[in-house]
Amino acid sequence: EPEVTQTPSHQVTQMGQEVILRCVPISNHLYFYWYRQILGQKVEFLVSFYNNEISEKSEIFDDQFSVERPDGSNFTLKIRSTKLEDSAMYFCASILRGLTDTQYFGPGTRLTVL
Amino acid sequence: KQEVTQIPAALSVPEGENLVLNCSFTDSAIYNLQWFRQDPGKGLTSLLLIQSSQREQTSGRLNASLDKSSGRSTLYIAASQPGDSATYLCAVLISSGSARQLTFGSGTQLTVLP
Repeated sequence: EPEVTQTPSHQVTQMGQEVILRCVPISNHLYFYWYRQILGQKVEFLVSFYNNEISEKSEIFDDQFSVERPDGSNFTLKIRSTKLEDSAMYFCASILRGLTDTQYFGPGTRLTVL
Repeated sequence: KQEVTQIPAALSVPEGENLVLNCSFTDSAIYNLQWFRQDPGKGLTSLLLIQSSQREQTSGRLNASLDKSSGRSTLYIAASQPGDSATYLCAVLISSGSARQLTFGSGTQLTVLP
């Protein structure tokens, strides 16, 4: 069964460094999302992406964040200058077609900022 | 602003029991509601999706109901097994500008004792 994959599974970085989290959504899916979950807290929406542009972004998704679909398969989340509070689990999700279809989540990348 | 609440926060039951997890949301203007399972340190696995026009969905030992007008959903697990131990999250799909995003509850941590 097709699944969303994410790399790396765990990323440790120093405060102020740039990180790129990678996702490969399910083939033929059209809508892509990033969510994050700080330890012990709720899963929070970051950004949605469709047709090679951002559809919507939350208050969390400030100028330090960017997303890109550099080719036909990868979907990336970049954090330019990481802060301690960026430490969290980051999940990628994708939807096949309709915006009300099931969102399929990847296994997540655990980001630790020291 | 949509708020999703899950009760109880934690639940421990002996194997074989039937159980109900509760989810409530403050704004009934939702497109659908999705139940997820999250194992420790892992991603989210979609269990059931109920569209706003539906009342319930079933998959194996799982049955989810939705009462949109009262802002409630329940997840019924029949004949629970130790392998059902996980955190169960509910999330509602809401409109956000031109996009749709999931708003999550905090989850119910379920432990099924052998």
